[in-house]
Amino acid sequence: QKEVEQNSGPLSVPEGAIASLNCTYSDRGSQSFFWYRQYSGKSPELIMFIYSNGDKEDGRFTAQLNKASQYVSLLIRDSQPSDSATYLCAVRKSNSGYALNFGKGTSLLVTP
Amino acid sequence: DTGVSQDPRHKITKRGQNVTFRCDPISEHNRLYWYRQTLGQGPEFLTYFQNEAQLEKSRLLSDRFSAERPKGSFSTLEIQRTEQGDSAMYLCASSPTGGATDTQYFGPGTRLTVL
Repeated sequence: QKEVEQNSGPLSVPEGAIASLNCTYSDRGSQSFFWYRQYSGKSPELIMFIYSNGDKEDGRFTAQLNKASQYVSLLIRDSQPSDSATYLCAVRKSNSGYALNFGKGTSLLVTP
Repeated sequence: DTGVSQDPRHKITKRGQNVTFRCDPISEHNRLYWYRQTLGQGPEFLTYFQNEAQLEKSRLLSDRFSAERPKGSFSTLEIQRTEQGDSAMYLCASSPTGGATDTQYFGPGTRLTVL
C-alpha cells in the first residue's frame, strides 16, 4: 500500500463546476496535510494546508480532513480553465521529521 | 527576495560525469529540503537541513549523492558518476521554523538529463 494515494485521473469538469480531488494516507499518526498545484513543466505551488479535522476554506478552495477515515480532499468551486493542472496531496509523517510524502497527483482538466 | 531560487534550471550531462546544483532558500527560512521528481510521479524526499545540520536523509540518497549547507544559507546537491536513472527534476524547498505546519515552498527546480 502506497503511503499517499490519489486517483491519477484525468478528472474532467466543465467550467464553473465544482472539482473534487481526493487523497488517502496510510500513516494514522500523520499531522499535517498539504495540497499543491503543479502546472506542466513547473514546480509545485502551495494551495492550502490543513491539520484539524473538518473543513478549511480559502477563496474558491476548500480542504477537508477526516483523520478517522484517513482521507483529505480538495474542492475547487467555480472551476476555471486556468485551474487545469496536476494537484498533489502531501502528508507529513508522524515519525519522519519534516519530510513530506507526496501522492502521484491528480490531473484536472477544466473544459470551457 | 521573493522565493526559492535554483541554479541551473537545466543541465544536460553525459553518463559518468559529476553535476552540482545550487539552491538559495527564502531569506530567514531555517529549513531546506531536496526532492526529486520523475515524470508522472510526485516529488520524492531526498534530504533536509535545519540551518547547517543535515537532519534526515532518504534511502533514495545513495552514496553518489551528497548535499551540503555549509553556512546555513544556500545548499548544494552533488551527484557523482551520474547514471541515466538520475534524470529527473530536482526540487528545492524551504520553510521557516516554528508554527504548526512547517509549510514548504518550492523553487523552480533543476531539470537534469543524463545522456
